[in-house]
Amino acid sequence: DVQMTQSPSTLSASVGDRVTITCRASHTFSVGLAWYQQKPGKAPNLLVSKTPSLQSGAPSRFSTSASGREFSLTISNLQPDDSGTYYCQLYNAFSFGPGTKVEI
Amino acid sequence: EVQLLESGGGLVQPGGSLRLSCEGSGFTFGRYPMNWVRQAPGKGLEWVARMRNDGDETYFLDSVKGRFHISRDNSRNTVFLHMNGLRSDDTAIYYCAKEPLVGQILDSWGQGTLVTVSS
Repeated sequence: DVQMTQSPSTLSASVGDRVTITCRASHTFSVGLAWYQQKPGKAPNLLVSKTPSLQSGAPSRFSTSASGREFSLTISNLQPDDSGTYYCQLYNAFSFGPGTKVEI
Repeated sequence: EVQLLESGGGLVQPGGSLRLSCEGSGFTFGRYPMNWVRQAPGKGLEWVARMRNDGDETYFLDSVKGRFHISRDNSRNTVFLHMNGLRSDDTAIYYCAKEPLVGQILDSWGQGTLVTVSS
């Protein structure tokens, strides 16, 4: 089974900052990675359906990149509404990364 | 607008059973694979079960194999999670989630239903 790691586990930043979350796969057999945002007490929400394509409605301050087994989600000009926990998920692998909590 | 509405959660004793239901609307239910994902209190997401649109292919998390069963009734736009032999570590919010036509990702989620396993 593919194992996903995420770093950092927690991220504290200020409004306007640029932050990056990294997800690394133990091995890849898939060409896609999705990112989800979850706010406290709410269901997760698909943010990026397949790197680098943002889901419809996702703010343009979110961007993604991929290199080999490493994938990144960058939030530019961090806004209060971006607080929450972010999870990555490799296509066709029934597992999520452990999550990165973003505090603003 | 896609909507997924879960029901059936509650408090159950260890060893007990529950059946969760998830009714979908706003899309052609029978065309899409459906999934159950859970989240234990304060923990991350765990993919529990998946069923392809025709019911022909399923996935189960190792820790629930032999105890949980997934089924769907496309005529009722509903997917079910049948949970038997429940344990305390099954305590979680259970989310129903829909896949798109291509790619095993989850593009729409329900609000979740809480399952608490405790004596």
